[in-house]
Amino acid sequence: KQEVTQIPAALSVPEGENLVLNCSFTDSAIYNLQWFRQDPGKGLTSLLLIQSSQREQTSGRLNASLDKSSGRSTLYIAASQPGDSATYLCAVTLSNTGKLIFGQGTTLQVKP
Amino acid sequence: IAGITQAPTSQILAAGRRMTLRCTQDMRHNAMYWYRQDLGLGLRLIHYSNTAGTTGKGEVPDGYSVSRANTDDFPLTLASAVPSQTSVYFCASRMGPNTEAFFGQGTRLTVV
Repeated sequence: KQEVTQIPAALSVPEGENLVLNCSFTDSAIYNLQWFRQDPGKGLTSLLLIQSSQREQTSGRLNASLDKSSGRSTLYIAASQPGDSATYLCAVTLSNTGKLIFGQGTTLQVKP
Repeated sequence: IAGITQAPTSQILAAGRRMTLRCTQDMRHNAMYWYRQDLGLGLRLIHYSNTAGTTGKGEVPDGYSVSRANTDDFPLTLASAVPSQTSVYFCASRMGPNTEAFFGQGTRLTVV
């Protein structure tokens, strides 16, 4: 059974810091990994999608990496801002079924 | 462009009642998913459909049923609601397993 884990569960940093969020998964038979952002009381917004054949993807201040063989992904946020405060979730797509399985998320607070 | 529409936005339901949560997408996506989100447990997959006419069980399917009669609609039915089904329910869709997933805004369901 695929297990997706995100550490830490919560993180608080001062504005301007660069930070890394971690995501690990137990089964490397995946199509891709996707990072999402969720604001309180809202739905999920897609940030980045990394295919299993890719090593990283970038969008603005966000950079996501994928090491499929070791079952790990990181989301790097550069020069964090208070508006980055949200819960960040990673999810993997299983190769055999197409299921999209989520980690429990990391809640980020960026203090002014 | 509506994207994914979930209805109702919120609902209070008496235990034992039958309830259908609606999910409609206008993007002609093949794959659709239903999740429940509970504090401390993240998003858990209830049921999914890789294409119209097919459905599959997720991580927590008991007490729920789905149908996928056409591409656009993926209703989730609680045959006889119980208080443990109190949760926020999210519907998602994507074109295929190698593409980005998009989420609706959620349905907050309270079973009393």
